[in-house]
Amino acid sequence: SYVLTQPPSVSVAPGQRARITCGGNNIGSKSVHWYHQKTGQAPVLVVYDDSDRPSGIPERFSGSNSGNTATLTINRVEVGDEADYYCQVWDASSDDWVFGGGTKLTVL
Amino acid sequence: QVRLVQSGAEVKKPGASVKISCETFGYTFTGFFIHWVRQAPGRGLEWMGEINPNSGDTKYAQKFQGRVTMTRDTSITTAYMELISLTSGDTAVYYCARVPCKTNGVCYSDYWGPGTLVTVSS
Repeated sequence: SYVLTQPPSVSVAPGQRARITCGGNNIGSKSVHWYHQKTGQAPVLVVYDDSDRPSGIPERFSGSNSGNTATLTINRVEVGDEADYYCQVWDASSDDWVFGGGTKLTVL
Repeated sequence: QVRLVQSGAEVKKPGASVKISCETFGYTFTGFFIHWVRQAPGRGLEWMGEINPNSGDTKYAQKFQGRVTMTRDTSITTAYMELISLTSGDTAVYYCARVPCKTNGVCYSDYWGPGTLVTVSS
């Protein structure tokens, strides 16, 4: 089955840029979605189809996807961005949806 | 506005089954797939399967084949997920999510229910 690999944690100071990666074999050929999840809450979609942003999500959130790595970038990080972030793709070979293991973003 | 409201927490004994409901509001129920995703305590998200509320067609993750059944009742815009033969490993928060698709065929989960905690313990 298809595997998505995320770093367990990323730390960044307020106002700086955070980059969260999602690695997968030729992931650039797939459409990647990103969700954040704050403690005790349901996931929230922040980027879909590699780089589209749902209404209500700040422009500070952006996504890119190429080769074997997709990246979620958060500019001018705020304390309120602290959450777990998950990437997701649909794997055609198994016809399953796959999540990455999640990355805990800590805002120092 | 779009809302997904799930049934309340459940405590089950090993070997039992659980059925969770996901009542939807604010959109055309038959126009969007519903996905079910679970999250064990301290763990990541795990996709369980999907249902097409229009046709009732389902697709289940291989891991849950034979143990999960997803259904819907269009008259009350509600989707259901039943999991049988529960073990302690099924202790998790179970989420339903609405799934729109772009014209290019790319689908994603845009609205999620609040989750239902299922605890399996003897």
